[in-house]
Amino acid sequence: QQQVKQSPQSLIVQKGGISIINCAYENTAFDYFPWYQQFPGKGPALLIAIRPDVSEKKEGRFTISFNKSAKQFSLHIMDSQPGDSATYFCAASNDRGSTLGRLYFGRGTQLTVWP
Amino acid sequence: DAGVTQSPTHLIKTRGQQVTLRCSPKSGHDTVSWYQQALGQGPQFIFQYYEEEERQRGNFPDRFSGHQFPNYSSELNVNALLLGDSALYLCASSFVYGTSSTDTQYFGPGTRLTVL
Repeated sequence: QQQVKQSPQSLIVQKGGISIINCAYENTAFDYFPWYQQFPGKGPALLIAIRPDVSEKKEGRFTISFNKSAKQFSLHIMDSQPGDSATYFCAASNDRGSTLGRLYFGRGTQLTVWP
Repeated sequence: DAGVTQSPTHLIKTRGQQVTLRCSPKSGHDTVSWYQQALGQGPQFIFQYYEEEERQRGNFPDRFSGHQFPNYSSELNVNALLLGDSALYLCASSFVYGTSSTDTQYFGPGTRLTVL
């Protein structure tokens, strides 16, 4: 079963707008939540990550919001640019224990930013 | 500092054949994980190697096997290829602190396998 559910499947945003991608999880043992960006023909690249002890993390134009009680987290891309057009994956893992470092990915969101 | 490297970039095989994919981890990393990414899907965990042993495994058949060498590089072998094995195969490396926690995983560019 899909351990991490991601929406929307695709997103079209105008240049300068805000892109928002949402993810939800069930396994409360997850304690690390990264977002990866993937361009066609390339491997996923780590964008930003958060742990459950904080509710928000910001790096430049990228912000993760985390709601532990709702088991949801989201990626916000402010001032979206055409160069941000890519596929974004949320993921979750338990950094400790028997599934050490194993990443569970969402299905991905294809973001298109129109100039 | 080289990141994660994988070879070959592309590979075309026919059903029933066997394939070997290779991965060199990022400098300083000792753990290698392999993922399969079907077209339009998120990566799915195959297995992870640490200290030359398979540490954990995802829901993949025994046709998928691997190896880790003393220099931490790794191979993924797939036997009796099926059409459904066509995918991008990703290698990710990380550093494990003792046995209890791991650093961020970094992905290579992947090997695109096409099975005809």
